[in-house]
Amino acid sequence: DAGVIQSPRHEVTEMGQEVTLRCKPISGHDYLFWYRQTMMRGLELLIYFNNNVPIDDSGMPEDRFSAKMPNASFSTLKIQPSEPRDSAVYFCASSFGLGGAGYTFGSGTRLTVV
Amino acid sequence: SQQGEEDPQALSIQEGENATMNCSYKTSINNLQWYRQNSGRGLVHLILIRSNEREKHSGRLRVTLDTSKKSSSLLITASRAADTASYFCATREGSSNTGKLIFGQGTTLQVKP
Repeated sequence: DAGVIQSPRHEVTEMGQEVTLRCKPISGHDYLFWYRQTMMRGLELLIYFNNNVPIDDSGMPEDRFSAKMPNASFSTLKIQPSEPRDSAVYFCASSFGLGGAGYTFGSGTRLTVV
Repeated sequence: SQQGEEDPQALSIQEGENATMNCSYKTSINNLQWYRQNSGRGLVHLILIRSNEREKHSGRLRVTLDTSKKSSSLLITASRAADTASYFCATREGSSNTGKLIFGQGTTLQVKP
C-alpha cells in the first residue's frame, strides 16, 4: 500500500481564494482524520470521519472550513475564503478501528496564504 | 486544547547515548501513543501503551506509563543520528469511545554523530 496520499504537497494562494486539500486514506481503513500543525498551536484535530460519516467537527475553526468524505477512498478539506492565519501544514491520517495500530499519517500539505 | 505536555522541549545528545522524553497529561486515558516526526514529514506511529499496562518495549524503544502520576516516558537506547526527529505523545480520553487523539507539543531530539 502506498500509504495515506495527500495532494497537493505545497499550496500558495492569495487571501480570499478557495483552497481544497485532498486525501486518499489507506484502503480498508474506516477512520479518517484531518489535523492542522502550526508552531504556535501544535497539532490540532479538525475533524474525523468513521465509515465516511463525520463524527466530530468541533475542531473546525470556523464556517470557512468544511470537510467531506464522499466515499471510503477520498476526502477533501476546503477553506473558503482563505486567510493568512490559515497558513499551516494540514495532515490527513487514517486508521483501522481505534485499536492498537495507531494512525497512519500522510506527508501533509503545506499551505501558505499571502 | 493540548492534553499531553512533553518535557524537555529540546534534547541534544551524542550518538550511542540514551534519550529520555517525558509526557504528562491531564485526564484519564484509554491509551497513550508515541509518534515520531522527521522534518517536513508526517508523523509515524511508534508504540501504544494501554492504561492497564505499565511498560512496553519495541526494539530500542521502551515506554512506561504511570497512571497515578498521569505521566509516560519514552526511552530510546543507543541512539543513532537517524533518530533525530520530533517526538510526540498522544492520548485518547478513557471515558468514551472517541477517535479524538490529542497530541502534545513534542520534544525535538538531536542526535549528533
